[in-house]
Amino acid sequence: GAVVSQHPSRVICKSGTSVKIECRSLDFQATTMFWYRQFPKQSLMLMATSNEGSKATYEQGVEKDKFLINHASLTLSTLTVTSAHPEDSSFYICSARRVGRRYQETQYFGPGTRLLVL
Amino acid sequence: GQQLNQSPQSMFIQEGEDVSMNCTSSSIFNTWLWYKQDPGEGPVLLIALYKAGELTSNGRLTAQFGITRKDSFLNISASIPSDVGIYFCAGPIISEGGGADGLTFGKGTHLIIQP
Repeated sequence: GAVVSQHPSRVICKSGTSVKIECRSLDFQATTMFWYRQFPKQSLMLMATSNEGSKATYEQGVEKDKFLINHASLTLSTLTVTSAHPEDSSFYICSARRVGRRYQETQYFGPGTRLLVL
Repeated sequence: GQQLNQSPQSMFIQEGEDVSMNCTSSSIFNTWLWYKQDPGEGPVLLIALYKAGELTSNGRLTAQFGITRKDSFLNISASIPSDVGIYFCAGPIISEGGGADGLTFGKGTHLIIQP
């Protein structure tokens, strides 16, 4: 159990277009999901915390109007990269927190979405 | 902010050798996590540590939470080819409100195994 999926797994788009990435918890409910970004040969950096039914919380330096997050249900969060530019090309990874006794242990990561903006 | 310093950056070892990597921080962490990431995949949790001094094993992997709560190490014994990948230490980011939210990651240790 505790599987997290992402769709699409990879996407190539033209500069200026918007791209939506979905993150789903397949067999558990997640009141909180997280979005991370990973550039080549670098570590994961937290972008934002997505809370079901409320506004997302963004980390310092992350533009909320550029990276729109919607957590409309307990199993789905979406990240929309608006007006994407080549510098937005990266590996986007979500994680979902499963309610449990030790919440840090129960944060499960998706397989990631590779975004390439031409 | 909370930063994790992970070393070594990369390791080239022979199959069957033991591996050791560590992570340090200038601030205290209440939880230390070790993840492995394969190319093009999301990270997978290997070991979670919750108490200072705690020593935990998961098969050939052993990790310890330092007494000062500012460091942790991960050991892999008798490495095999499938151990290849990037290993990250991570800890919870403490928000301004005091609650713990997402994770902050070390820069990773790239493990390369030569047959």
